[in-house]
Amino acid sequence: AQSVTQLDSHVSVSEGTPVLLRCNYSSSYSPSLFWYVQHPNKGLQLLLKYTSAATLVKGINGFEAEFKKSETSFHLTKPSAHMSDAAEYFCVVINQAGTALIFGKGTTLSVSS
Amino acid sequence: DADVTQTPRNRITKTGKRIMLECSQTKGHDRMYWYRQDPGLGLRLIYYSFDVKDINKGEISDGYSVSRQAQAKFSLSLESAIPNQTALYFCATSSGGVETQYFGPGTRLLVL
Repeated sequence: AQSVTQLDSHVSVSEGTPVLLRCNYSSSYSPSLFWYVQHPNKGLQLLLKYTSAATLVKGINGFEAEFKKSETSFHLTKPSAHMSDAAEYFCVVINQAGTALIFGKGTTLSVSS
Repeated sequence: DADVTQTPRNRITKTGKRIMLECSQTKGHDRMYWYRQDPGLGLRLIYYSFDVKDINKGEISDGYSVSRQAQAKFSLSLESAIPNQTALYFCATSSGGVETQYFGPGTRLLVL
C-alpha cells in the first residue's frame, strides 16, 4: 500500500535561511507525489506535484521538491525562508486505485525574524 | 466569494446529537471529498463522491454518512455524535482526477 512518512513534526528556521522539509514514501510502483500547505486557519492549497515527468519539481512561492527513487524521498526545499512561509506542510501520495489522496502527518514550519 | 464554502464554521454539540455539516462549491467540479484533521495525524478521508450518483467510503467512514444533493452540494452527517469525533473537518473538490483538490476553510466541531 502507498504511504508517506514526514520525518519531522516541527521545523524552525530563521528568515532568510534555507528550508528543508523531509518526506519518504512507500509505493509498489512509481507514485504521484504532492506537497500541500495549510496556512493558519485556512484550508489546504496545492504547493507542487510530481507525476513522473521531471524529477525536480517547482511549485509556488519559490518552493521545489526533488523525487529521488533510489532514496524513496520527496523532500521540499526553499533557498530562503520568508515569514509568510510559516504554515503546516503535508506530503501526499495517491492511493493505488487512483481514487484518493493519502496525507502524511504534517510538518509545522516556524520562521523567526 | 469563496469557491468552496462550508457551514457552519464552528459547532459545539453534545454526545448523542445528530449533526450535519454542509459543503457547497461554485467551481463546477464533479468530485467532492470529506476529510477530518486531528493534531499530529494529518488528514484522513471519510467519504468521497465522483458524481451525484457515486458515493464511496474512505479510510474512516464508521459513524459518518453523506449525501450528494446536487453536483455542487455534499453534506456530512454524524448520526449520533461522540467525543472522539471532535476534529477539524474539511470539504474538498476536484475535476477529472484526484491530484489537485481545492479545500474549503474547514468546520471546527467540538463534541462534549
